[in-house]
Amino acid sequence: QKEVEQDPGPLSVPEGAIVSLNCTYSNSAFQYFMWYRQYSRKGPELLMYTYSSGNKEDGRFTAQVDKSSKYISLFIRDSQPSDSATYLCAMTNNNAGNMLTFGGGTRLMVKP
Amino acid sequence: GAGVSQSPSNKVTEKGKDVELRCDPISGHTALYWYRQSLGQGLEFLIYFQGNSAPDKSGLPSDRFSAERTGGSVSTLTIQRTQQEDSAVYLCASSLDGNSGNTIYFGEGSWLTVV
Repeated sequence: QKEVEQDPGPLSVPEGAIVSLNCTYSNSAFQYFMWYRQYSRKGPELLMYTYSSGNKEDGRFTAQVDKSSKYISLFIRDSQPSDSATYLCAMTNNNAGNMLTFGGGTRLMVKP
Repeated sequence: GAGVSQSPSNKVTEKGKDVELRCDPISGHTALYWYRQSLGQGLEFLIYFQGNSAPDKSGLPSDRFSAERTGGSVSTLTIQRTQQEDSAVYLCASSLDGNSGNTIYFGEGSWLTVV
């Protein structure tokens, strides 16, 4: 079993839909949680960063962390075709030297 | 430069040949990471450099893989006697230091194909 599990998709939604992306993890030591967006043939770019449990909102994006369930989510409101990309969750703990453990990524397609 | 720079962006090599991939991190960043991303897969940690400390090589898949970082800046990842399963995107990243919570910035990757 992988340390971080993520549904690979693809997830196809119409423009304007609310998108929910999720990851589960097994290591209770993880405390820092990130979502990266990766366009085709590009490097990952950081979208959201959350420490410990709770919610964080940034524009159309909301990140949620539930450490008791070892479950994190990324919500995208009013999705746009430009949101079509692969979304990778990543996490680390205090002692990992900032080395990240990634999920396999979910491919999202937003259709106009 | 403004971001993490990697070269070459694409490399096709014959099985058994050695390859070198270069990474130039963001200026002032002391932490540097190499990750590997196979087709349709997430990122797999390879190696981590922090300042002048000994690198964490725990993610290197075999002794054919090695990396060095000269002068605390530019890093080179070397793969000896390449195999077809080495075909992947090799991503370099850097952050201000190795403290958890500092943003990690990725380069565009070096796309390696072993034929």
